[in-house]
Amino acid sequence: TQLLEQSPQFLSIQEGENLTVYCNSSSVFSSLQWYRQEPGEGPVLLVTVVTGGEVKKLKRLTFQFGDARKDSSLHITAAQPGDTGLYLCAGAFSGGYNKLIFGAGTRLAVHP
Amino acid sequence: DAGVIQSPRHEVTEMGQEVTLRCKPISGHNSLFWYRQTMMRGLELLIYFNNNVPIDDSGMPEDRFSAKMPNASFSTLKIQPSEPRDSAVYFCASSLLLNTEAFFGQGTRLTVV
Repeated sequence: TQLLEQSPQFLSIQEGENLTVYCNSSSVFSSLQWYRQEPGEGPVLLVTVVTGGEVKKLKRLTFQFGDARKDSSLHITAAQPGDTGLYLCAGAFSGGYNKLIFGAGTRLAVHP
Repeated sequence: DAGVIQSPRHEVTEMGQEVTLRCKPISGHNSLFWYRQTMMRGLELLIYFNNNVPIDDSGMPEDRFSAKMPNASFSTLKIQPSEPRDSAVYFCASSLLLNTEAFFGQGTRLTVV
């Protein structure tokens, strides 16, 4: 059982469509990170959200951290083929030897 | 900084052979992680180090897998003997602290035939 559940697992859409992917947990995180991984590369950090209810925007990408800091969403407006990739969320607990916990990811394909 | 450097990028080996994957973390980072990624199982954390000390190796699948970090600038992941089911992309990542941004290398694609 994944501590962080991501949905959907796969998403195939046409260029110009909007989409939202989700990252859910029953645990409270001190912060949550979103990564994008392109084929043949390692994951790269997109954003870190820290405060419950926080919204961050990165061009056409909007990230939201749930009020209770247990879940997060990523919304992409007018998707482009360049958005294609694996989107991973990772939660961090504070204190001690606590590592990042990664979800299984949402694999997005945007077709021209 | 060149980022996290992994070598080799690709490795094809025969079942039963020893495989050693190498990683150079970003200078100044205190934490280093080894992950394995497959389509079936996603990104799995194998082991992580803090200040060169192994903290948690519960993700290492079997005794055939071992990892070392002899100094702050180098780590190895060894599989001996290798098996076809070990075929995957192995990533090394480093971070300033254990749960801050993880910087990943480009990965080593391992194929065991």
